[in-house]
Amino acid sequence: QSALIQPRSVSGSLGQSVTISCSGTSSDVGGTNYVSWYQQHPGKAPKLMIYDVRKRPSGVPDRFSGFKSGNTASLAISGLQAEDDADYYCCSYAGRSIYVFGSGTKVAVL
Amino acid sequence: QVQLVQSGSELKKPGASVKVSCQASGYTITGYAMIWVRQVPGQGLEWMGFINTNTGNPTYAQGFTGRFVFSLDTSVGTAYLQISSLRADDTAVYYCARGGAIVGDYWGQGTLVTVSS
Repeated sequence: QSALIQPRSVSGSLGQSVTISCSGTSSDVGGTNYVSWYQQHPGKAPKLMIYDVRKRPSGVPDRFSGFKSGNTASLAISGLQAEDDADYYCCSYAGRSIYVFGSGTKVAVL
Repeated sequence: QVQLVQSGSELKKPGASVKVSCQASGYTITGYAMIWVRQVPGQGLEWMGFINTNTGNPTYAQGFTGRFVFSLDTSVGTAYLQISSLRADDTAVYYCARGGAIVGDYWGQGTLVTVSS
């Protein structure tokens, strides 16, 4: 199972918006609503930001939103804040009880 | 509150084995699957698989069959990852995370396994 494809990095200024894409196939992203997004700061464990394509866990700011079109899922971050500077990973169900992560995207807040 | 607490860092020689533990608290371990994730230093997250904590049945992702074993002891609320015949490229941080309807809603702090002669 190959990793889902994410841009290596995206950047935005404080207060701006960025969108991270997560490209897969009809066997994973395109064929499921079990797509999640995780934020990871250096040296820390990942933190769930979005699950089931667009649902936010309690405590996650509504600046974070998820959506999907075809075989590509996306995470949008609006009103960028300094603490959003981190790595972000998508994750999708890929069938037969297996999940696959994306390659990861570094979000730089300028 | 829900917590997953992992065992400490390990330094092992090539060919040795290691067993990483992940102790769950704040919920019943049999209520949720336990997922294992690998992160090689400087690289991304890799889904290793999970263990069904009701049946004890493990599922392994491609690339994590043979030398990797998931197990658990429900009496102490703990899941385990054992890696045998360690190689240098097994050097990584290994995470446990809670599975179920929401995948990865809680994570352990990670365990660094270093394989070096």
